[in-house]
Amino acid sequence: AQTVTQSQPEMSVQEAETVTLSCTYDTSESNYYLFWYKQPPSRQMILVIRQEAYKQQNATENRFSVNFQKAAKSFSLKISDSQLGDTAMYFCAFMKPYQGAQKLVFGQGTRLTINP
Amino acid sequence: DVKVTQSSRYLVKRTGEKVFLECVQDMDHENMFWYRQDPGLGLRLIYFSYDVKMKEKGDIPEGYSVSREKKERFSLILESASTNQTSMYLCASRMGGFASTGLTGELFFGEGSRLTVL
Repeated sequence: AQTVTQSQPEMSVQEAETVTLSCTYDTSESNYYLFWYKQPPSRQMILVIRQEAYKQQNATENRFSVNFQKAAKSFSLKISDSQLGDTAMYFCAFMKPYQGAQKLVFGQGTRLTINP
Repeated sequence: DVKVTQSSRYLVKRTGEKVFLECVQDMDHENMFWYRQDPGLGLRLIYFSYDVKMKEKGDIPEGYSVSREKKERFSLILESASTNQTSMYLCASRMGGFASTGLTGELFFGEGSRLTVL
């Protein structure tokens, strides 16, 4: 079974700084998908960024980018120029595609606080 | 915009009560999921459904059941609530089909239902 590990339960940085959240996973699959989800306080969880394992290029979405190291099974999220609105729980997730519902396996989460 | 609505944001129930958590999505998604979220444990999958009347157990199905009689609605049932079921429950939905066909695989979540069992 796949597992996802986020080793940083909490992080705190100053506004405008760059912060990197870590995620490692364990799988024997060669094709899979990785995600970072954001859960702001008392609000719905939303997708931040997605990476397909067969793509060498790291995904980017505006200030959010990933460092995908397939051999090391590592998938970190970098937030540049952090903003107060980035304060949230961040979850890393793994998905193995197969016919039918494709389940996501989530990590434990990292609580990120951006300080003014 | 996709909307996933969970019927109750906060519930307080007593041990042994039967509890229904309702989830409705408005985007005709085939796949629906129930997760529970606990500090330090992240999100754990309870049950999921890939079509009407179809359901599969997730990683922690014990003590729960589900119902999906209509495509837009997925209910989580606690037959006899216990204190260890105190948690945040998250419903999510997603379009069906292979992720490899170009679909993003993105899950759309509801706001969550915080259940306290006394």
